Amino acid sequence: IAGITQAPTSQILAAGRRMTLRCTQDMRHNAMYWYRQDLGLGLRLIHYSNTAGTTGKGEVPDGYSVSRANTDDFPLTLASAVPSQTSVYFCASSADGEVTEAFFGQGTRLTVV
Amino acid sequence: GQNIDQPTEMTATEGAIVQINCTYQTSGFNGLFWYQQHAGEAPTFLSYNVLDGLEEKGRFSSFLSRSKGYSYLLLKELQMKDSASYLCAVRESNYQLIWGAGTKLIIKP
Repeated sequence: IAGITQAPTSQILAAGRRMTLRCTQDMRHNAMYWYRQDLGLGLRLIHYSNTAGTTGKGEVPDGYSVSRANTDDFPLTLASAVPSQTSVYFCASSADGEVTEAFFGQGTRLTVV
Repeated sequence: GQNIDQPTEMTATEGAIVQINCTYQTSGFNGLFWYQQHAGEAPTFLSYNVLDGLEEKGRFSSFLSRSKGYSYLLLKELQMKDSASYLCAVRESNYQLIWGAGTKLIIKP
């Protein structure tokens, strides 16, 4: 089934540890995004990529990094996790940055303790 | 600055009609989106407006007034499965999306 897959589904992480959230899509979408969703706040863009080989910073990029080595994969890395990074993380993709609809992965619930 | 406002929570009765409002102030405008998000799940696309007026899609309709910075999502013939959060998002001129915090809709029998 075509779509976008995130791993892991949930994770408890000790503060200071490094963590990579994985995101893979098989729709051959050019644009991919990482958002975090916190209670009472809207989705906030962390990083994005409009095409393989390029990335850009979103609204809340500090403490996070991304890479886009190919079209399908867009991993998000927390170099040294802090409790304020406790959140639900969503990866999304769209055919390109101008297309109307974005498709979301099922989310990764991350707790930093 | 950038700001999108939606009511935090609304309650409606099964079979009725509900209107969820969204007002926005953003740096440029390049379309407004509505997404549905059931608890613990990913957002899914509902509608897109870039021109003023009403877009109808089955039981759901979305309206936009760019001059007023205003949109609403209209849900008709409410069903229990419509209980979810409804997210308003504005795409700015640089094609980035700014999201509202969402409106939690509770449907009662």
